[in-house]
Formats: sequence, structure tokens, C-alpha cells
Amino acid sequence: GQQLNQSPQSMFIQEGEDVSMNCTSSSIFNTWLWYKQDPGEGPVLLIALYKAGELTSNGRLTAQFGITRKDSFLNISASIPSDVGIYFCAGGYSGGGADGLTFGKGTHLIIQP
Amino acid sequence: DAMVIQNPRYQVTQFGKPVTLSCSQTLNHNVMYWYQQKSSQAPKLLFHYYDKDFNNEADTPDNFQSRRPNTSFCFLDIRSPGLGDAAMYLCATSRDHRGHVFGPGTRLTVT
Repeated sequence: GQQLNQSPQSMFIQEGEDVSMNCTSSSIFNTWLWYKQDPGEGPVLLIALYKAGELTSNGRLTAQFGITRKDSFLNISASIPSDVGIYFCAGGYSGGGADGLTFGKGTHLIIQP
Repeated sequence: DAMVIQNPRYQVTQFGKPVTLSCSQTLNHNVMYWYQQKSSQAPKLLFHYYDKDFNNEADTPDNFQSRRPNTSFCFLDIRSPGLGDAAMYLCATSRDHRGHVFGPGTRLTVT
């Protein structure tokens, strides 16, 4: 089956630092999504990417859909305490088909005061 | 606000006692999914409905069933819960697999 390799597994950073995480896949996807999940809650969509090479920003967040369609990265600039949480990448197929999303194992972001 | 609603947020059931989790949506999305998320793991797709068509993942146990009586509602039935079925169950919706929106989840405890 498809596998997503998400790295790093965890990050310990200082407030104000920039953050970068990425996902790679053994298969091609035509959708890459980035979610943030807080404890006891469902994942919240941060950025959705639907085209190879697409670079999209949402406030301090920037994500790119790799040109090979097998990878994506998420950058967070000038981190703040509320950025703490688990970030998941997810690959999928839009426009019909039989599959939902395949998730990476998550990146646990911890911000040290 | 348009959203995905899951009830209850917390469910406790006994080993072997059937349990039903519910999901409703006000987004008018045509696809509804059920994911299982165990502690410190990524969500794992169980099955989904694309309109009225049911799509089961190959490794989803037979113990898990789903019903979608109309566009807005979808149910997850666990016929005989085991201790290994304790998890967060996440409902999600999308329009043709674009822009998945997740509900807040139901945390299931099996005693």
C-alpha cells in the first residue's frame, strides 16, 4: 500500500523561529493536504494543494506540492505558542475515485519559551 | 457555520456490546468518510461513501459497518467491540475528494 514518510517526527524550537517539515511518498498523489491536530480534537485543514509545483500561503504558513507529485513541504514562519500541536500531511486523489486520504505519521511541534 | 458534527464526543461501551457512532454535516458534501485514529498514530481510513456508493478499505475488519441514510448523515456501527477498537473515530466530508473537512471526533473506550 501507499506510504507517506513525514519528517521530522518531532521538533523542539524557540518561539519566533521558522519551522520546516516535509512528506515524501512512494506513490503519486494529485492532492496534498496539511492538517494541524490539537489533543482530543479532529484535524483542521491548513493548506490544500491540487497542482504539481503549486506554492500556497495561508498567513505564516507556506506549503508546496512537489513537481514529481511525490512530495510536499510545509513551512511556518516566526512561530508562536499557539502553533504547538501535531501536523499531518495527507495525500489523496481529487475529482472522483475510490480512495480517501493517506496520512503521514505526523510532526509533533513543541515550542520552548 | 457549515460544519461536520459528531455525537457523542465520548462513548464508553462494554466488550462485545454493539455501539453506533453518528456523524452529520451541513456542508452538502457528497463524500463522507470514517477514519480510525489510535493514540499517537495517524488517522487510518476505514471506508467512505461516494454519494450512495460504499467503498470499503481492504483491511477494514468485518466488525465495522457503515450506513448513510441520506446526504447529511453517516453512521459507524461496531458490531462486537474489542479492546483493540478503543480509539478516536473521525468523520470527514469532501466534495469529490477535494478539501476534506474533519469533525471533532468521538473517543471510544471499551471496558
